[in-house]
Amino acid sequence: NAGVTQTPKFQVLKTGQSMTLQCAQDMNHEYMSWYRQDPGMGLRLIHYSVGAGITDQGEVPNGYNVSRSTTEDFPLRLLSAAPSQTSVYFCASSSRDGYGYTFGSGTRLTVV
Amino acid sequence: GENVEQHPSTLSVQEGDSAVIKCTYSDSASNYFPWYKQELGKRPQLIIDIRSNVGEKKDQRIAVTLNKTAKHFSLHITETQPEDSAVYFCAAGILGFQKLVFGTGTRLLVSP
Repeated sequence: NAGVTQTPKFQVLKTGQSMTLQCAQDMNHEYMSWYRQDPGMGLRLIHYSVGAGITDQGEVPNGYNVSRSTTEDFPLRLLSAAPSQTSVYFCASSSRDGYGYTFGSGTRLTVV
Repeated sequence: GENVEQHPSTLSVQEGDSAVIKCTYSDSASNYFPWYKQELGKRPQLIIDIRSNVGEKKDQRIAVTLNKTAKHFSLHITETQPEDSAVYFCAAGILGFQKLVFGTGTRLLVSP
């Protein structure tokens, strides 16, 4: 099993550009989430999904869109990148009983 | 919504000493409390977790205690080693709802 795979690992965007961060898991986990990590602020939940076709907002959803068309994939879309979205983004998944997230290796995004 | 506070933000100990990190949560409905370790440039990894129906859980040198009445939980690391140096995050949430809220992290430095 590859676990949770995130691509790309690094990305530089210009203000106003859009892009999609990819996340895939091969553990048949129902639950998937996106977090952003900023210095001194821990991990903040952006969006999450409890199954295919079901998504909901977390603490900091503005500027981001998600969809969950399959159990395996949970892409995160930045609609119009802003410097405030410079961060490290982690995708995570877990099974229905929720015993701990498995995190991807992260995407380091810089918006200039 | 849930709010998790974590203290201290930094902790320096000598090798062999014990380290204690404390977290408080606000939502009395929370029933799941995991701890994650994150090494520099790596993804967070689950090291131990506890559910609200138990007061303490131990795994070798690591233990977690939970006080539901006071809404706080703590991570205890005994006989610390330099490889324990990392950032540790606590989190709180409700099993089955996958909205884990994280603390802001504790940077633990273990000096030889």
